Amino acid sequence: EIVLTQSPGTLSLSPGERATLSCRASQSVSSSYLAWYQQKPGQAPRLLIYGASSRATGIPDRFSGSGSGTDFTLTISRLEPEDFAVYYCQQYGSSPSMYTFGQGTKLEIK
Amino acid sequence: EVQLVESGGGLVQPGGSLRLSCAASGFTVSSNYMSWVRQAPGKGLEWVSVIYSGGSTYYADSVKGRFTISRDNSKNTLYLQMNSLRAEDTAVYYCARTWARYYYMDVWGKGTTVTVSS
Repeated sequence: EIVLTQSPGTLSLSPGERATLSCRASQSVSSSYLAWYQQKPGQAPRLLIYGASSRATGIPDRFSGSGSGTDFTLTISRLEPEDFAVYYCQQYGSSPSMYTFGQGTKLEIK
Repeated sequence: EVQLVESGGGLVQPGGSLRLSCAASGFTVSSNYMSWVRQAPGKGLEWVSVIYSGGSTYYADSVKGRFTISRDNSKNTLYLQMNSLRAEDTAVYYCARTWARYYYMDVWGKGTTVTVSS
């Protein structure tokens, strides 16, 4: 079973700053099967990035994803007030079909 | 509009059963992969189960043998039958459309809350 470890657990930044969130897998993951989500309090998760680097429909271009193998990154180029939330990475593995989420990174206002 | 609406949550005693429903609109459940994901209070997301368009089903080890995912094509609805419930099953349960090629979840419901307590 692949384990996803996100770091840092909490990231304190100010609006306008750049955020870099990490997702590390315990073994190699296909880039096609790595996604990122944003979740705000009391809301369902929202898809941001799929295939490691493709933005979902309607997602602003300040959000970008990169990485391969075991190391993946979500970057928010210039933080807007609405970006402060919890972010999760997620991967899919076959044999058998299984989906795994990271434990999340909380992005809070400094 | 593409939408998912969960229902069926509530308070149940340990060892009890509950069936969650997820009504879809704007797309066909049977033509898509559909997942259940849960979130315990104050915790992160945990994948629970998936049903593929061909009918294959898969479960997380934590619920295998106790939960059953299914769908009713005539009602365009996804279900999660939960038996032998435990306190650790307490969570908000979300249904989500799962994209076949990349296996990500692009449409989510608002969730339904399940509390297992005596």
